[in-house]
Amino acid sequence: AQRVTQPEKLLSVFKGAPVELKCNYSYSGSPELFWYVQYSRQRLQLLLRHISRESIKGFTADLNKGETSFHLKKPFAQEEDSAMYYCALPNAGNNRKLIWGLGTSLAVNP
Amino acid sequence: NAGVTQTPKFQVLKTGQSMTLQCAQDMNHNSMYWYRQDPGMGLRLIYYSASEGTTDKGEVPNGYNVSRLNKREFSLRLESAAPSQTSVYFCASSEWTSGQTIYYEQYFGPGTRLTVT
Repeated sequence: AQRVTQPEKLLSVFKGAPVELKCNYSYSGSPELFWYVQYSRQRLQLLLRHISRESIKGFTADLNKGETSFHLKKPFAQEEDSAMYYCALPNAGNNRKLIWGLGTSLAVNP
Repeated sequence: NAGVTQTPKFQVLKTGQSMTLQCAQDMNHNSMYWYRQDPGMGLRLIYYSASEGTTDKGEVPNGYNVSRLNKREFSLRLESAAPSQTSVYFCASSEWTSGQTIYYEQYFGPGTRLTVT
């Protein structure tokens, strides 16, 4: 079955340190992957989609098909990056449904 | 362009009461979704609607009903609320076409915090 795994529930870093939020997936073929961010008590917002290869708020994510990973990275974390981050990919049997990881809570300490 | 809107923002119900959560989107998206978000459990799909007039169960549909009133609106009804339905509920919409490309990323409403006592 398809799965998205975010192995860290919590990640704590200091301001200015690099940050990497891990996402591993199981999918046969070329997946379309997303990162969503949810700031405290707010809606989920799309942060990145891998097909666009954008850098948003300094975050990037590279699809590694060999390792089936789509880790989210930022070279210098800021306090305002503290949030919940979710990785997701479309269900192979029904693209309209997304399969979600359980999320990683990032805390950036001053 | 308001995106996805939800009402109410907060609600407290007593066990056994009923209520309807409203959701609307103005992005001309085809698909709409209802999720619940609980600590440690991520997002769980309750119901979704691929198009006007169709609805399908998600992972946790028990205790809920939905109506896709038109392309813009998708409501979630709790007929007899239970404490286990205390959660944050998010509506989302997705699926639009630009040229030959279909986009599936989902856009979310602000959420409804529901407490059932």
